[in-house]
Amino acid sequence: QKEVEQDPGPLSVPEGAIVSLNCTYSNSAFQYFMWYRQYSRKGPELLMYTYSSGNKEDGRFTAQLNRASQYISLLIRDSKLSDSATYLCAIPRDYQLIWGAGTKLIIKP
Amino acid sequence: KAGVTQTPRYLIKTRGQQVTLSCSPISGHRSVSWYQQTPGQGLQFLFEYFSETQRNKGNFPGRFSGRQFSNSRSEMNVSTLELGDSALYLCASSLAEGVGATNEKLFFGSGTQLSVL
Repeated sequence: QKEVEQDPGPLSVPEGAIVSLNCTYSNSAFQYFMWYRQYSRKGPELLMYTYSSGNKEDGRFTAQLNRASQYISLLIRDSKLSDSATYLCAIPRDYQLIWGAGTKLIIKP
Repeated sequence: KAGVTQTPRYLIKTRGQQVTLSCSPISGHRSVSWYQQTPGQGLQFLFEYFSETQRNKGNFPGRFSGRQFSNSRSEMNVSTLELGDSALYLCASSLAEGVGATNEKLFFGSGTQLSVL
């Protein structure tokens, strides 16, 4: 079993839709959880990180952490064409990041 | 403030050759990490350096090596290239001042796309 599981998609939604991206993790000792966004031919960029159960909001993006069920999710409201990218969840451990497979998100006009 | 710079952007090599990739971190960042990204395996950790010392290493063969210089710039080397080494190699830097500061935010370069023929 992988430590971090993420559906690779692709997930295609119309512009303006609400999108929910999910990751599950196997180690209950993990403390911090991060969401990165990666555009084609670019490196990942940090979107949000959280360590508290519940929601953390930043503009149109909300990161949710459910420790009891060991999953994290990223909610994107009012999706825009520029949100088309691959979204990766990542968990830091021992000076490295453990990555999910990444979900490719396609926003349709 | 300049971001993480990786050179070269693209490389084409043949099996058996060796290659050196370069990474210049964000000014003031002392930690540099390297990751390999492939469609099949996703992002995998290679190694991390802080103040010229390797603090952690991933599960890659000894053909993969790295080093960090006193100015925090880093290089990674792959010897005896194999077809399976074709990948996007990403470098990331962070402040990482504290021991075990594993929640440090990583800033990535655009990567070096290596193709092995």
